[in-house]
Amino acid sequence: TQLLEQSPQFLSIQEGENLTVYCNSSSVFSSLQWYRQEPGEGPVLLVTVVTGGEVKKLKRLTFQFGDARKDSSLHITAAQPGDTGLYLCAGPTDSWGKLQFGAGTQVVVTP
Amino acid sequence: NAGVTQTPKFRVLKTGQSMTLLCAQDMNHEYMYWYRQDPGMGLRLIHYSVGEGTTAKGEVPDGYNVSRLKKQNFLLGLESAAPSQTSVYFCASSYVTSGTGELFFGEGSRLTVL
Repeated sequence: TQLLEQSPQFLSIQEGENLTVYCNSSSVFSSLQWYRQEPGEGPVLLVTVVTGGEVKKLKRLTFQFGDARKDSSLHITAAQPGDTGLYLCAGPTDSWGKLQFGAGTQVVVTP
Repeated sequence: NAGVTQTPKFRVLKTGQSMTLLCAQDMNHEYMYWYRQDPGMGLRLIHYSVGEGTTAKGEVPDGYNVSRLKKQNFLLGLESAAPSQTSVYFCASSYVTSGTGELFFGEGSRLTVL
């Protein structure tokens, strides 16, 4: 079983601060996805990283896939209250699209 | 454009009762999934389907059954509910190729078993 561990479990910061959340595994993944989930809703895909060392930017969010494709990070610059949510990383367990999810990092950004 | 729709949104059951959760998608996706989400445990795959008429077990299938009689619908059944099945259930669908397909989720169904 490929286990995805996310850290920290919970992060509370003030608006304007930066934050980084991590997704680590002892196994190699062909790709990793990051989802954000807001209260009462289902997760929504933010990004998919597929190449070791890849960096993708989505406005103030920067995603990095580790060189060995065992880990990934999400960095948010100048966080805003709208960034509040549960951030989940996920990786495929087979070619049928079955995804294994990490437990998530709950991010709270206060004004 | 409804995407993925789950019904009901909330349900309270007594131990031993049965119920069915319905998932409908209007994106013509081949693949559909049922996950459960529990605090601190992320999303765990219950059952999935790679096409109409097919189903397969996921990580935590015990106590659940599924059916995919029509491509757009994926039903999750609980024959005899137990308190351990109290959870939020999410249905998802995807096109899926090579394991990098985006999952589109419904809004979730919150189930409480007393």
